[in-house]
Amino acid sequence: EAGVAQSPRYKIIEKRQSVAFWCNPISGHATLYWYQQILGQGPKLLIQFQNNGVVDDSQLPKDRFSAERLKGVDSTLKIQPAKLEDSAVYLCASSRTGKTEAFFGQGTRLTVV
Amino acid sequence: ELKVEQNPLFLSMQEGKNYTIYCNYSTTSDRLYWYRQDPGKSLESLFVLLSNGAVKQEGRLMASLDTKARLSTLHITAAVHDLSATYFCALSGGSNYKLTFGKGTLLTVNP
Repeated sequence: EAGVAQSPRYKIIEKRQSVAFWCNPISGHATLYWYQQILGQGPKLLIQFQNNGVVDDSQLPKDRFSAERLKGVDSTLKIQPAKLEDSAVYLCASSRTGKTEAFFGQGTRLTVV
Repeated sequence: ELKVEQNPLFLSMQEGKNYTIYCNYSTTSDRLYWYRQDPGKSLESLFVLLSNGAVKQEGRLMASLDTKARLSTLHITAAVHDLSATYFCALSGGSNYKLTFGKGTLLTVNP
């Protein structure tokens, strides 16, 4: 079974630029999560989808971050405009339902300079 | 709001020694996970603990859960260098079962 796929693996951008990350979850997994992991900290949930609907986006900075999962499969996370403090690893995870174990992708390491 | 505290945050130990990582949490939760993260890699699930008194073991690692004390422990027996990594506990709770992570424990096992 293929794991959670993310791209790109690394991205360096200047502040005020925009960036997008892509995630393909494990086949059949209805729940998809985006987490932000700042260096030295645990992952923090940004947004959770159940199929193509948003379940929780309470910690998503909506003035600059957006995410979508149009067909209930792949998802994109966008930051526009980026700030220095957005430098982090962005992890995508998926699970069969919200109650079951989540599997994580390798993440996208974003550096904002 | 669910809060998860791990300690210690940094742990340097000698090969062959035993040690325990602690995970305290603030409110009742559906289930507790332990994850391992190697530098530059993603999170690998180690254990899922569902009920009070649950104990799971895999190799040199053993995890336990005391829901009354709101405490989980990850015990390392006779550490080896390959166990060097960051270990996170995470709790699933709320109506959407979202995971809340601790800050992680960076474990370094020295020869």
